[in-house]
Amino acid sequence: GNSVTQMEGPVTLSEEAFLTINCTYTATGYPSLFWYVQYPGEGLQLLLKATKADDKGSNKGFEATYRKETTSFHLEKGSVQVSDSAVYFCALRGEGGGADGLTFGKGTHLIIQP
Amino acid sequence: NAGVTQTPKFRILKIGQSMTLQCTQDMNHNYMYWYRQDPGMGLKLIYYSVGAGITDKGEVPNGYNVSRSTTEDFPLRLELAAPSQTSVYFCASSRTGTASGNTIYFGEGSWLTVV
Repeated sequence: GNSVTQMEGPVTLSEEAFLTINCTYTATGYPSLFWYVQYPGEGLQLLLKATKADDKGSNKGFEATYRKETTSFHLEKGSVQVSDSAVYFCALRGEGGGADGLTFGKGTHLIIQP
Repeated sequence: NAGVTQTPKFRILKIGQSMTLQCTQDMNHNYMYWYRQDPGMGLKLIYYSVGAGITDKGEVPNGYNVSRSTTEDFPLRLELAAPSQTSVYFCASSRTGTASGNTIYFGEGSWLTVV
């Protein structure tokens, strides 16, 4: 079955540092890949997505590239802010748009210190 | 700009009580989902529905029931609450279709504590 593995947290960085959160997946065929963000006390919001190999998703300064050869979708940001503190979830949706929704990683708690 | 709306946001239940978490979406999505989120465990799928009158079990369905009488509504029922059901519950929806990139939209969550 499908699975997503992302780096354990918490990840603590200083403001303006470079961010990488690793995500790898296991799935057959060509799934779509997503990053969701959850701010404290709130629901999940889509941050970015990529639907085919070599696609780059980007939003709010965050980027992730769909790497089929390494089955990865690492999240990066060049200069983080305190407001980026949140839990980040990597997720996939199976090829064919499976009706059973998304498979999630366990989440990475990001803490940005001023 | 309602999107996916869940109620209640917070609830405390006693062991053995029953309750229904309500979920409604105004985007005319056929697919709807219920997930639970436990600390450090990501989200697990409880039940999903591909359209009115059709529901199916996800990864962790035990202790829950759902119904889908309309496209808009997808309530989740807990019949005999147990402490193991203490969690945050998220309702979600998406468009139909085989395009796997169709985004899944989430509600704001319902925090449930069973004591």
